[in-house]
Amino acid sequence: NAGVTQTPKFRILKIGQSMTLQCTQDMNHNYMYWYRQDPGMGLKLIYYSVGAGITDKGEVPNGYNVSRSTTEDFPLRLELAAPSQTSVYFCASRLIGTSGQETQYFGPGTRLLVL
Amino acid sequence: KQEVTQIPAALSVPEGENLVLNCSFTDSAIYNLQWFRQDPGKGLTSLLLIQSSQREQTSGRLNASLDKSSGRSTLYIAASQPGDSATYLCAVGFQKLVFGTGTRLLVSP
Repeated sequence: NAGVTQTPKFRILKIGQSMTLQCTQDMNHNYMYWYRQDPGMGLKLIYYSVGAGITDKGEVPNGYNVSRSTTEDFPLRLELAAPSQTSVYFCASRLIGTSGQETQYFGPGTRLLVL
Repeated sequence: KQEVTQIPAALSVPEGENLVLNCSFTDSAIYNLQWFRQDPGKGLTSLLLIQSSQREQTSGRLNASLDKSSGRSTLYIAASQPGDSATYLCAVGFQKLVFGTGTRLLVSP
C-alpha cells in the first residue's frame, strides 16, 4: 500500500489564482480529511468526508471546496487564493471499526505559499 | 466547542530522562483520544489511541493515560532518546478530531 499520497509537495500561487490539491489513499478507508497547519500551531480541520459522495465543513472551510466522487480521492480546491491561505495542508484517511478501534494515516503535506 | 490545550509548548531534556506531556480538553464527552508524533516537515504518525472507556494504553516506552472526569491525558515517555525529538500532538473527537497545538520535545545526547 502507498498509504496517503498528496500532490504537489510545494506550490507558490499568486493572489487570486486557483489550484487543486490532490489526495489519494489506497487503504479503502471511509473517512478522509483536509487540515491546514500554520507555523507553531496545531491542525485545523477544513473539510472532511465520511464516504464517497458525502462531505462536510470543518472549522475553517471558507475559501475552499472539496469533492469525494470515489473512496480513494479527496481533492481540495482553492478558489481566489489569498495570503491567509499560506500554510501546510495535510490530507488524512481514517478507518473507524465497529469495536471503536481506528487506523489513521496522514499524507506528507503540501506546502503552499500565496504571494 | 471542544478546546484542546497542551502544556508545555516546548520541552528540552537530556537523554535518559523520563518525561510527561500534558493534554487538557474542555468537553469530557469525547469518543477517542489520540497521541500523534510529527517530525519536522513531515505528516503525523499515530502513536497511541485511548478509547473513551479505557484509562490507559501502552506501546513500548510510551504510556498514555486518560482521565475524562478531569479532562486530562498524559503521555509518559520512559528513558528518552534523541530519536524521540519531535512535536507531540493530542487530539480528541469522533468524526471530527480537534487537535492541540503540540509540545515540541528536544532530547539532547
